[in-house]
Amino acid sequence: EPEVTQTPSHQVTQMGQEVILRCVPISNHLYFYWYRQILGQKVEFLVSFYNNEISEKSEIFDDQFSVERPDGSNFTLKIRSTKLEDSAMYFCASSRVSYEQYFGPGTRLTVT
Amino acid sequence: GNSVTQMEGPVTLSEEAFLTINCTYTATGYPSLFWYVQYPGEGLQLLLKATKADDKGSNKGFEATYRKETTSFHLEKGSVQVSDSAVYFCALSDLQGGSEKLVFGKGTKLTVNP
Repeated sequence: EPEVTQTPSHQVTQMGQEVILRCVPISNHLYFYWYRQILGQKVEFLVSFYNNEISEKSEIFDDQFSVERPDGSNFTLKIRSTKLEDSAMYFCASSRVSYEQYFGPGTRLTVT
Repeated sequence: GNSVTQMEGPVTLSEEAFLTINCTYTATGYPSLFWYVQYPGEGLQLLLKATKADDKGSNKGFEATYRKETTSFHLEKGSVQVSDSAVYFCALSDLQGGSEKLVFGKGTKLTVNP
């Protein structure tokens, strides 16, 4: 069964550094998403992406964040200058129809 | 704004016990409702969904009915197994309102003992 994959599974970075989190969505899916979960808190929506542009973003998704679909398979989340409070589990999701999202296993980001 | 409230966990049950995890929602429109499950070390998996009032979603012995009058979507299973141990998340999306994003509850950790 096709699945969403994410790399790396765990990323440790220093405050102020740039990180890129990578996702390979399911191949025939058209809608792509990033969510995050700070330890002990709710899963929060960051951004949705369709037809090569952002379709919706939350107030968390400020100028430090960007998304890109650089080729036909990858979907990336970049954080330009990481802060301690960016430490979280980041989940990528994709869907063929917008109400049924499939999630990847997540990337745990630790900012020191 | 839209929100989801789940019963606080953790929940600990013996095998073959009956499970209920309560979920209520607040939404301005007519949302679609979901239950996701997260097994240890894995991502979120869609367990079941309901897209309109009175719909019942079901999968793997789990059920939930979309109750508009009580704004609820409680998850139930008649006889849990050890393999059901996981974190369960209730979520909604307000597609009619033009938003695809999922709004999640805090999650309820279920442990089933043999």
